[in-house]
Amino acid sequence: DQQVKQNSPSLSVQEGRISILNCDYTNSMFDYFLWYKKYPAEGPTFLISISSIKDKNEDGRFTVFLNKSAKHLSLHIVPSQPGDSAVYFCAARVWGSARQLTFGSGTQLTVLP
Amino acid sequence: KAGVTQTPRYLIKTRGQQVTLSCSPISGHRSVSWYQQTPGQGLQFLFEYFSETQRNKGNFPGRFSGRQFSNSRSEMNVSTLELGDSALYLCASSPMGQETQYFGPGTRLLVL
Repeated sequence: DQQVKQNSPSLSVQEGRISILNCDYTNSMFDYFLWYKKYPAEGPTFLISISSIKDKNEDGRFTVFLNKSAKHLSLHIVPSQPGDSAVYFCAARVWGSARQLTFGSGTQLTVLP
Repeated sequence: KAGVTQTPRYLIKTRGQQVTLSCSPISGHRSVSWYQQTPGQGLQFLFEYFSETQRNKGNFPGRFSGRQFSNSRSEMNVSTLELGDSALYLCASSPMGQETQYFGPGTRLLVL
């Protein structure tokens, strides 16, 4: 039972354009969401997070949107750069579960120069 | 600040052996979590330690265990290794009062 789903295994975007990565979840008890990016042979790097009491959080080129009614979140990267090419994971935490994160399967983003 | 460090980075074991992996969190971080990443199951939570106490455990058999020391360093142990235990084992640490976890580079374990 996949509680966090990233339905697109891969995404290609031109440099300078917007990258939109999507994530759906099924567990209504998730109260905190995070995005990580991962390069091969490295651990995930934290990008941005959002609490369930918000619907948007922005940090530089990265914006995360949360639609609780649709149980959907998305990560927008504007403008996309070749260095953004990596696997992106969304993760979620159940309220009260300390730091136990449930991860999606990841989306490979390729930014073409 | 130095990041999360994990040792060893690579390890080859045979079935039936046991293995111990080590994690040193970012200085000042007292929470350490462990995750397993495999191609089939993705990233899965193993357990979390805070102040030497296990706070949470994922859905893994008892062969997987861990501990945390008073300096917040953590170890995880896998006994009676199986082929399916081949994976990247990731450790993450968090500062007090924050939800964000910062990951180390991982230990890649290959069980033959």
